[in-house]
Amino acid sequence: EVQLVESGGGLVKPGGSLRLSCAASGFTFSDAWMSWVRQAPGKGLEWVGRIKSKTDGGTTDCAAPVKGRFTISRDDSKNTLYLQMNSLKTEDTAVYYCTTDLALIGDAFDVWGQGTVVTVSS
Amino acid sequence: DIQMTQSPSSVSASVGDRVTITCRTSQGISIWLAWYQQKPGKAPKLLIYGASSLQSGVPSRFSGSGSGTEFTLTISSLQPEDFATYYCQQANSFPPKFGQGTRLEIK
Repeated sequence: EVQLVESGGGLVKPGGSLRLSCAASGFTFSDAWMSWVRQAPGKGLEWVGRIKSKTDGGTTDCAAPVKGRFTISRDDSKNTLYLQMNSLKTEDTAVYYCTTDLALIGDAFDVWGQGTVVTVSS
Repeated sequence: DIQMTQSPSSVSASVGDRVTITCRTSQGISIWLAWYQQKPGKAPKLLIYGASSLQSGVPSRFSGSGSGTEFTLTISSLQPEDFATYYCQQANSFPPKFGQGTRLEIK
């Protein structure tokens, strides 16, 4: 069964750091381009960033609101995706999902994790 | 960045009704648009990709159409489990962008 399971969320003070993890199973993780998408309370979906497969260069891209503060990485030996979040702001409070275009259907996200909640508050 | 405009932001309908949701983009994106359904407390679920291709396992009452800058998601006969929030997402150019969502409520 194809599965993504996020972990690492929690309560953190403004200016603090947190690392999220996403454990993948049921597919060849090393071939997948992986993304993070977040959803603030009561709001819509916001793409956060992406990491390509190492075969395709392994490069990362992040959305403007998080660029320079968030870093995406992967450990293919552990089938795990990471999101390192530094200098957190209250507006980073959200449910964070990892997702991928597993079926290669043109950057549409067909597999999602259940999400992990990040709360940034003093 | 491409801007997305979804309409309406909310709609009330009854079981059995036909409902159409529209998504407009600020630039042409060919057919590279996806639709998602999200229920409270759950992750989004892909319904349609490539503007009109039905994701595996999605009921045929869902359909998508459009190209360029205007797209529609149609639910032909609403079922109780369809009451949810729907999002479009452009997949043509970087970065991916979602519409603001359409909340489908029971009348």
